[in-house]
Amino acid sequence: AQKVTQAQTEISVVEKEDVTLDCVYETRDTTYYLFWYKQPPSGELVFLIRRNSFDEQNEISGRYSWNFQKSTSSFNFTITASQVVDSAVYFCALSEFLISNFGNEKLTFGTGTRLTIIP
Amino acid sequence: KAGVTQTPRYLIKTRGQQVTLSCSPISGHRSVSWYQQTPGQGLQFLFEYFSETQRNKGNFPGRFSGRQFSNSRSEMNVSTLELGDSALYLCASSLDRANTGELFFGEGSRLTVL
Repeated sequence: AQKVTQAQTEISVVEKEDVTLDCVYETRDTTYYLFWYKQPPSGELVFLIRRNSFDEQNEISGRYSWNFQKSTSSFNFTITASQVVDSAVYFCALSEFLISNFGNEKLTFGTGTRLTIIP
Repeated sequence: KAGVTQTPRYLIKTRGQQVTLSCSPISGHRSVSWYQQTPGQGLQFLFEYFSETQRNKGNFPGRFSGRQFSNSRSEMNVSTLELGDSALYLCASSLDRANTGELFFGEGSRLTVL
């Protein structure tokens, strides 16, 4: 069974500080995908990034960066120079790859980390 | 490009009633997924439809059902409502590429069961 753990329930940092959100996953699959989503107060989840299990390169997108370490089953997310607009709940998610079933949008989500940026 | 539209946004029902929620995906998206979000259980996958066929299903009782129409719009139905069904129900659409995970979510339908 798949499982995603986000141990940090809530984090508060002062604006312009860096913050890292932790994500640890469990899966028996050798091929899988990892994701981060952001949920602002309006409710809809916003896709941030996807990473497949064969691609361990770290990625940077503006102030956002992701560190995927297969050896520790972790996929951590860092926001540099945080801004008030970054305040939201962030979810890490995992999906399995089903060869027999073209297309699979079933995601297993973590419980989320509520990030508050204090002005 | 219009986003995913869910209706109604808020509704209140009583135990034993049934409810139907609607989701209009982004134009051109053929896959529609449904998720339930509660404070206790978090985000849980309900089911996914593609070309009017249920392609994947989560671990929910048979009271939860869904369907997809030829225009890709989807509905989900919950019968014999229980207090524990109170939740935010999120619909997401995506292109029909395999395993993209690039789901586009609506703002959800918040159901309260009294």
